[in-house]
Order: sequence, then C-alpha cells, then structure tokens
Amino acid sequence: DGGITQSPKYLFRKEGQNVTLSCEQNLNHDAMYWYRQDPGQGLRLIYYSQIVNDFQKGDIAEGYSVSREKKESFPLTVTSAQKNPTAFYLCASRTDRGAGPQHFGDGTRLSIL
Amino acid sequence: AQSVSQHNHHVILSEAASLELGCNYSYGGTVNLFWYVQYPGQHLQLLLKYFSGDPLVKGIKGFEAEFIKSKFSFNLRKPSVQWSDTAEYFCAVNADNAGNMLTFGGGTRLMVKP
Repeated sequence: DGGITQSPKYLFRKEGQNVTLSCEQNLNHDAMYWYRQDPGQGLRLIYYSQIVNDFQKGDIAEGYSVSREKKESFPLTVTSAQKNPTAFYLCASRTDRGAGPQHFGDGTRLSIL
Repeated sequence: AQSVSQHNHHVILSEAASLELGCNYSYGGTVNLFWYVQYPGQHLQLLLKYFSGDPLVKGIKGFEAEFIKSKFSFNLRKPSVQWSDTAEYFCAVNADNAGNMLTFGGGTRLMVKP
C-alpha cells in the first residue's frame, strides 16, 4: 500500500541537541510538507518542498532545517535553536498535478528531556 | 496571507445529536476547501473537499459541508453523530495565490457521549 511513513513515533531531545525526524513516501508525490501541531493552534507549516533539491520556509521555520535529496524523502532536523520543540510533528505529501488533498503520516511526538 | 478560524475549540454532544462545526477563512479570491479528521491515535484523514461546482459537498461517514462564498464559510455538518465520530476536526484552505500550500484552522475537538 502507498503511504507516508514517519519515524520514530516518539522522540526525546536533550537540551542543546539536534534531532532528525524521518519522512518517507512511496506515493510518487512531488510536494512534501512538515507541520507542527500544538493544542488549540491547529497545524502550522514549518517547511515545504515542491521538487527535489528545493524547499521553502513556512510560517515557523526558525530552529528547523530540511533537505530534499530524493523525491521520496524529506527529513526534518529540529536544531538546538528551536527553544520550544515539544510538539507533534506531521509530514504530508501531495501530487503537484492539479488541486488535490494532502496525505499525512502518523506523526512523531517530540519531547524535551 | 489567508487565515482560517474554527470558533468552537471543544464540542460535546450526545449520540444522535446534530453537529455543525464552523469554519471561516479570510481570503477573498478563489479557494479550495478541505475538512480533515484525526481520530484518537490515528493520522489525519481527508473527510471531504470542495474545489468548484455544487457548494454542498458530501463526504465520508455521513458528513457534509456547505461553501457559502458570501460568508467566507465552509461549515461541517452531520445530522446524527455517533460515538465513533469522537475526534479532532480541522478545516483547511488552499488559496489560489498560495500554490499548493494549505492553511489550517486551530481544530475542533469533538466528544460524543454514548
């Protein structure tokens, strides 16, 4: 079955540490997205990528970095510069051919130790 | 930039009650509209979408939504809820000036009492 796989499901970060969240899709989608979900704030866009080797900042990119070396992979690094990283992180993808909904992964919950 | 408002943050209903969740957006141009649902412990799933045509859109599990352009609204409805509808519901908007980016509302957490 095609879908989006996020790993790990739960992740802990120590102060001053960078951590990387994985997102892989086998839907052959062009565009991929990273969102942060906080209670009462819905989903806020961190970064998105419309094609390989290209990505743009979303609304809350500070303290995060991404790469898009392969079409199927869009890892997100939460750097030590992100002062409030505790959240639920969702990866999504979408075909770029015409309008269409985004498909979401199961998410990664990141907590601070 | 567009914004999306969901005015009800928490809704508690008894089974068989009718449901209406509000969604308003701020963009004046052409929009694509979506409702997503997140059941406990599961990923976000598309409930229904509006691109064009009939403003009354029917989705899965008996849900429907009506696009009222003059009110910038896309409210979600269901005539009779079930306990299994307990979930968090997100409205999302894709504006024609935003490429394929979605702007999400803050979500509404629905609890249906058996």
